[in-house]
Amino acid sequence: QELLVESGGGLVKPGGSLRLSCVASGFTLGDYYMKWIRQAPGKGLEWVSYISGSGNRIYYADSVKGRFTISRDNTKNSLYLQMNSLRAEDTAVYYCARDFRNGGCDAWGQGTLVTVSS
Amino acid sequence: QSVLTQPPSVSAAPGQKVTISCSGSTSNIGNNYISWYQHLPGTAPKLVIYDNDNRPSGIPDRFSGSKSGTSATLGITGLQTGDEADYYCGTWDSSLSAWVFGGGTKLTVL
Repeated sequence: QELLVESGGGLVKPGGSLRLSCVASGFTLGDYYMKWIRQAPGKGLEWVSYISGSGNRIYYADSVKGRFTISRDNTKNSLYLQMNSLRAEDTAVYYCARDFRNGGCDAWGQGTLVTVSS
Repeated sequence: QSVLTQPPSVSAAPGQKVTISCSGSTSNIGNNYISWYQHLPGTAPKLVIYDNDNRPSGIPDRFSGSKSGTSATLGITGLQTGDEADYYCGTWDSSLSAWVFGGGTKLTVL
């Protein structure tokens, strides 16, 4: 069974940091581009970041550029999102997703909630 | 303001057909593949269409996708109450070097 499991969410104060992890099982993570996507309360889906299978191509949404860093460790079948200088508007459920073909994401984690509040 | 434009809501009766539009530009829909997602509150989004008009395994043929120029459409026939969800289109934007989603469309099956 192909699974993605996120962890690392929680409550953090504005300006703080969190590191999200996404562990894959049942498939080889390194064979796929991966995305982080979030959904703020009452809002739609928002793409956050994108990383190629080898990690040499990385893209960020303007809203997180310079604050968030995506990375991966294919030896651990894991994807990460380091989030620094967090703001209230970063409050959201964060999903990792597998890009299986031309951007179509066929596998998603269950999501991890990040709450930025004082 | 989303780069891709979807209607906020659509509705239809059980058994009927509904279409959801997604409008963009040459830098996104016009030159890249589009995918569609079904999202129920509290669950992970589910891919229902990829590469403009292909269904992943397990998605019934009641779901269809099409693309023409800078617009795309998701169609759902034989509506069921279980189809009630938010639907999002998504594609790569070559000018922005960013993945973009539509604002989402809430489907109500009356």
